Amino acid sequence: DSGVTQTPKHLITATGQRVTLRCSPRSGDLSVYWYQQSLDQGLQFLIQYYNGEERAKGNILERFSAQQFPDLHSELNLSSLELGDSALYFCASSVGTSGGRTDTQYFGPGTRLTVL
Amino acid sequence: AQKVTQAQTEISVVEKEDVTLDCVYETRDTTYYLFWYKQPPSGELVFLIRRNSFDEQNEISGRYSWNFQKSTSSFNFTITASQVVDSAVYFCALTVWGAQKLVFGQGTRLTINP
Repeated sequence: DSGVTQTPKHLITATGQRVTLRCSPRSGDLSVYWYQQSLDQGLQFLIQYYNGEERAKGNILERFSAQQFPDLHSELNLSSLELGDSALYFCASSVGTSGGRTDTQYFGPGTRLTVL
Repeated sequence: AQKVTQAQTEISVVEKEDVTLDCVYETRDTTYYLFWYKQPPSGELVFLIRRNSFDEQNEISGRYSWNFQKSTSSFNFTITASQVVDSAVYFCALTVWGAQKLVFGQGTRLTINP
């Protein structure tokens, strides 16, 4: 158990809908990352937050957005869902610093999203 | 840009055999970090090891060992005396100083047969 929690574990929805994925980082970690794992694209970085602020952005679609709240939990919002958005979405956390230090990322169990 | 290549898509061995998973990386940065993660059938990603570019010492942890060679840009992972519980998809990943995102290889699916 990495200490990172994600809810829900599974999510089934229809095209055009909007969903919210939730992540709670390990105790003491300030950085949260979101990754998407799909069969065709593999594991891809989406976005990172550090202590409530967006720190880095990857291949995240405009239909997707995220935020990190004062209690450090994070939410990934996916809207206007398409069939191709079906994937396993991982949240990871790390200690995080305001500088450029690279910390080890610990991953949550993932949320499996199925868009029908 | 960074790139990680895991050329072995699938490996299948019999229990107790030794097996090596290959990882080749590309980066122009001089300070970088390499990782291995395990994804068992249950789906979570489990951290195994982290290696910094300035530390080329090989590491052994029980039946697991890692061989980091900057000259060939490789960070290979060996499991000695494999067990059925080692069956999983293994990912090699890379990040560089100042960047936070991990760049993952495509993964190697390892099946250990009893």
